[in-house]
Amino acid sequence: SQTIHQWPATLVQPVGSPLSLECTVEGTSNPNLYWYRQAAGRGLQLLFYSVGIGQISSEVPQNLSASRPQDRQFILSSKKLLLSDSGFYLCAWSVHGTSGSPTPSRHIYNEQFFGPGTRLTVL
Amino acid sequence: DAKTTQPTSMDCAEGRAANLPCNHSTISGNEYVYWYRQIHSQGPQYIIHGLKNNETNEMASLIITEDRKSSTLILPHATLRDTAVYYCTAGYSTLTFGKGTMLLVSP
Repeated sequence: SQTIHQWPATLVQPVGSPLSLECTVEGTSNPNLYWYRQAAGRGLQLLFYSVGIGQISSEVPQNLSASRPQDRQFILSSKKLLLSDSGFYLCAWSVHGTSGSPTPSRHIYNEQFFGPGTRLTVL
Repeated sequence: DAKTTQPTSMDCAEGRAANLPCNHSTISGNEYVYWYRQIHSQGPQYIIHGLKNNETNEMASLIITEDRKSSTLILPHATLRDTAVYYCTAGYSTLTFGKGTMLLVSP
């Protein structure tokens, strides 16, 4: 069966410090991967998605970046955190349909499986 | 992705059916409707999806109007553990989640 891991579970960082959140998926290959952020009292905001190694699409311009160094590894980073970066960060995966597409595959449906999340507080 | 509109909150008595509405009037023909729920401090959990026809699984039923501009998620016998934020979203390649509906199931 497939599982998705995120770490750390909670993180408190000072403003201006760097950030690295990691997400890994087991039990599937070539998944689509997603990073979401949920600020207090707000809905889920899609930050980045990836359809393959080295392929990253950004949904919202910000001081965050994402990388996919391996098939089932997705990393969210920042060089200098802002107070507004505080929130609940969620990684998700979905089945990948056709390969080689520059955008998320036009799969039959896009059921996404979410990880447990990382709660980030920037002070 | 289509924009969705849901009530901010709803109440339901334990054991009764919970009917959660969602408007997605800008949905396009190839976009599916998905429902997820999020229990406090956890990642969202997939519930059900549909395109045109009504769907049912072990968790819930999904009723989609003929014009596909709205849908209703039905939890037939709500329990206290169904208290959560329920998200309706519609999309094809990526999904956009709004603030959802906070469903409170009371004894």
